[in-house]
Amino acid sequence: ETGVTQSPTHLIKTRGQQVTLRCSSQSGHNTVSWYQQALGQGPQFIFQYYREEENGRGNFPPRFSGLQFPNYSSELNVNALELDDSALYLCASSSGGRLYGYTFGSGTRLTVV
Amino acid sequence: GQQLNQSPQSMFIQEGEDVSMNCTSSSIFNTWLWYKQEPGEGPVLLIALYKAGELTSNGRLTAQFGITRKDSFLNISASIPSDVGIYFCAGQNEGSGGGADGLTFGKGTHLIIQP
Repeated sequence: ETGVTQSPTHLIKTRGQQVTLRCSSQSGHNTVSWYQQALGQGPQFIFQYYREEENGRGNFPPRFSGLQFPNYSSELNVNALELDDSALYLCASSSGGRLYGYTFGSGTRLTVV
Repeated sequence: GQQLNQSPQSMFIQEGEDVSMNCTSSSIFNTWLWYKQEPGEGPVLLIALYKAGELTSNGRLTAQFGITRKDSFLNISASIPSDVGIYFCAGQNEGSGGGADGLTFGKGTHLIIQP
């Protein structure tokens, strides 16, 4: 049991649309990060939230945004979807501080057509 | 985005054989991690390394943090069918706020065990 739950598991959207992906972390995990994993690649860091504030960001444009809520849930929002946004989106959480490795969810498979 | 250099890309081995894979980076990391990912699942942490030169084992798995802090290797001894999957290395540094930065992953090593 990973303790990190993502929804939905699969999603199909049209180019130009907006999408919201959701993640529920383990209780007490105040750090959450999101990753994009294209087919055949390793996960790429999108951004990280700590106590509801963004405290790290990878090389992704501003149309990728997020929120973290006090109940250990979080969202990844992507505006103006492009075909290249098709990927597995992974949420990972940690209790923060000196990390002992994030706990990952099973991901949301997003297909943009 | 940056990805670590992980090799080999894939391995075809017989059950019972030992496996070795490695990961290199052009920049230093303070933490090296090894994950395994199976189809339809997120990565699962296998081993975490925090000090240059550290050698850590987890059952049949052994990993080392290179002394230059730019590389790491993972060995699996006496492979079994359930070892099949994709193995990823990941590097991490401390962020400016005192917490940790996001992980930088390799492209993965796909381990296939032939009967």
